[in-house]
Amino acid sequence: EVQLVESGGGLVQPGGSLRLSCAASGFTFSDFPMTWVRQAPGRGLEWVASIKQDVNEKSYMDSVRGRFTISRDNSKNLLYLQMNSLRAEDTAVFYCARDNKLDYWGQGILVTVSS
Amino acid sequence: DIQMTQSPSSLSASVGDRVTITCRASQGIRNDLAWYQQRPGTAPKRLIFAASSLQSGVPSRFSGSGSGTEFTLTISSLQPEDFATYYCLQHNTYPFTFAGGTKVEIK
Repeated sequence: EVQLVESGGGLVQPGGSLRLSCAASGFTFSDFPMTWVRQAPGRGLEWVASIKQDVNEKSYMDSVRGRFTISRDNSKNLLYLQMNSLRAEDTAVFYCARDNKLDYWGQGILVTVSS
Repeated sequence: DIQMTQSPSSLSASVGDRVTITCRASQGIRNDLAWYQQRPGTAPKRLIFAASSLQSGVPSRFSGSGSGTEFTLTISSLQPEDFATYYCLQHNTYPFTFAGGTKVEIK
């Protein structure tokens, strides 16, 4: 059974940093691209970033490029999202999803950026 | 960037009704489109992939069609558990983009 479990969320002040993790199980992690998606409170879904199996190929949405970094550790079956220079508008539930076709999703983790 | 436009943004329907939701892409995306259902407080669940393929375990009352720029999700006979918000996603070109969603409510 495919399982994705996010962790690392919480409350952070504007300008601060946070690193999200996504632990994957139930499939061969190194065979799949992985994706982060976010959803601000009461809003729709927003694709954030994706990383190919080859860790050198990454893509980002414009508003996070240069502030967020997606990475992965295939030996540990872990996906990461390092978030720097956080803004109030980054407040959202962050989901990790398998593949760039987003077939399976984690339960989500809340990130709140507020002073 | 490819813009995805979904309509309607909300609808009210009764159990047993046939419901159709449309998604339009600002440029051709072949069949690189998926449909998701999201119930309040839960993660999205994929219903349809490759525009018209039913995800394993999803009831057959859900169907998808379309290619290029126009796509449709149909629920043939609405059930109580189908009241939720539905989103389409294009994964043809980065940045991937979701449409704004359709909230399906009970009439």
